Formats: sequence, structure tokens, C-alpha cells
Amino acid sequence: GAVVSQHPSRVICKSGTSVKIECRSLDFQATTMFWYRQFPKQSLMLMATSNEGSKATYEQGVEKDKFLINHASLTLSTLTVTSAHPEDSSFYICSARAAYTDTQYFGPGTRLTVL
Amino acid sequence: QKEVEQDPGPLSVPEGAIVSLNCTYSNSAFQYFMWYRQYSRKGPELLMYTYSSGNKEDGRFTAQVDKSSKYISLFIRDSQPSDSATYLCAMSLSGGSNYKLTFGKGTLLTVNP
Repeated sequence: GAVVSQHPSRVICKSGTSVKIECRSLDFQATTMFWYRQFPKQSLMLMATSNEGSKATYEQGVEKDKFLINHASLTLSTLTVTSAHPEDSSFYICSARAAYTDTQYFGPGTRLTVL
Repeated sequence: QKEVEQDPGPLSVPEGAIVSLNCTYSNSAFQYFMWYRQYSRKGPELLMYTYSSGNKEDGRFTAQVDKSSKYISLFIRDSQPSDSATYLCAMSLSGGSNYKLTFGKGTLLTVNP
């Protein structure tokens, strides 16, 4: 149980375009979803926390207008990187927390490359 | 001082060895402690989850938490080549909306056959 999927697994785009990444909890309802970014050989850095039906809470230094998060249902959250630039190239990972647990289950990640 | 410190390694051991991984932290309010395993280009996989101080064992894995020293450890017995991965410690505050995790940098482990 506790499977989280992400789509796409890899995306390459041109500078200035927008990219949407989906995160789904497949076998449980996720009251809270988290979005992380991970640079090579670095740890995961939390970008934002989203609760179903409410606005996301962004960490300090994360541009909310650039990284749009929508948690439309208890099983789906999306991250849209708007007007992507090469410096946004990174590994983006989501996680989901079920209502009955304190643990987070992570998706497989999405590798974004902006040319 | 970073909130969570973890030696990035790399750590290389022969198959069958006992592996010891550890993290130190500065925030005494952390209550929940986790160890994740991350294979290259994959998302982290939860290995162990403990609340407050004490030991927890699951198969070949043992997690220890010493809150008085702000020190947590993960031991892997009879290590296997399939254990080769990056191991991340993570911790969070107790209850309410404080579920966000603070991660260590991760330790890269290689188990040689």
C-alpha cells in the first residue's frame, strides 16, 4: 500500500515554457501533499505544502507565482513551473501524507531539464 | 549550524558487513525520526520510522534515537549489494500542522560483493 505516482518521469522543455507535473496517491487519500526539489548530490528541499481544497503554503525563498500548486482532490496535486528557465532544471519529488499517519510516502520523482 | 547534519560519505563496505549511519540535529523539538533509502534517480523509500527516543528493529535494520544527545543512527546487518543507495535521515516536529520533514544531506553507501 501507500503508493505515490508522478507523471511525467522526465521532461525536457525550452526556456520560457510552462511544465505541469502530476502527483497522485494511488491507494490512499492524501490530506496533505508536499513538493520537494533536489539538486545533484544534495538533499531534498521542501518547496511547499498543500492541503486539499486550500492554498499551498510556500517555504521561504520559493516564488509562489513561478511554482503554482493545485491540490484539487484527495488523490491529486499538480505543480506547474511557469516560464521555466535553465536554473529551474532539477529533480522534483512529491510526497503524500494520509490522514491516519505521520509518515510521508514519496513519488518516484520528475527530472526537469530546461534548455 | 544546519538543523540536521549527516556525513555524506561515500561509505564503501564489503558484503556482509555491519553498516552504521548517523545524523545529528540541533532542534530539540524534533519528535519523529525517519530513515529513507533513495536509489539513483528515484524517490526516497521509507525504511524506518520512530517516535521519540529508543530503538526499533525491522529485519536487518535497526534505528536508534538518543534525544538527549540529539543523535540518531541506522544499523544495517549482513549488508547486501542491493543495499547500495543513498540513505537520508529525516525528522519532523510533533503534531498539528508541523508535518514537514527536515532532511539530512544523505550518505552514499556502496556494498561490494
